[in-house]
Amino acid sequence: EAGVVQSPRYKIIEKKQPVAFWCNPISGHNTLYWYLQNLGQGPELLIRYENEEAVDDSQLPKDRFSAERLKGVDSTLKIQPAELGDSAVYLCASSLDGTVSYNEQFFGPGTRLTVL
Amino acid sequence: AQSVTQLGSHVSVSEGALVLLRCNYSSSVPPYLFWYVQYPNQGLQLLLKYTTGATLVKGINGFEAEFKKSETSFHLTKPSAHMSDAAEYFCAVSDQNFGNEKLTFGTGTRLTIIP
Repeated sequence: EAGVVQSPRYKIIEKKQPVAFWCNPISGHNTLYWYLQNLGQGPELLIRYENEEAVDDSQLPKDRFSAERLKGVDSTLKIQPAELGDSAVYLCASSLDGTVSYNEQFFGPGTRLTVL
Repeated sequence: AQSVTQLGSHVSVSEGALVLLRCNYSSSVPPYLFWYVQYPNQGLQLLLKYTTGATLVKGINGFEAEFKKSETSFHLTKPSAHMSDAAEYFCAVSDQNFGNEKLTFGTGTRLTIIP
């Protein structure tokens, strides 16, 4: 069974440019998470989806970040415009059902963003 | 609010020696506790978790951790380190709140194995 797929793996852009990350969760997983991992830190949740509904986006900086999960499968995270401080690894994770007492989250390899 | 503190951002042990990575948590409700491992340029992989029941939990690759409520700790151990254990380890906590499996991670401990 394929794991969580993310693309691209690496992205280098100049500040003020837009950028988008894509995530394909494990088949059948209803819950999808986007995390931000700064260098030397643990991941921090940006947004959580239950199917196509964003149920927790309290940590998403909505002035420049946006996300969507059309049809409740793949998801895209966008930054527009990017700032130097956005350089980090963006992790996607998925789990079977976030409404059931603990379902393991499976993580993708992440997208490493460098903003110059 | 829940939080996790990992003591020691870098730990070095000799191959074959005991591995001990420390984690203390803060939670207002009974927690779920986790250890994840991250190899370079890879995502996080679950090593083990504590939800309910036995306080000593065994995970993959010979790791285990013990939930000690009185000490609010969940330290990770392995009796004999192997070179392949070199990686970054993250402790995480989640409230036992159905429908809200939000993980709060510590800052991580980088484990180096000395040949």
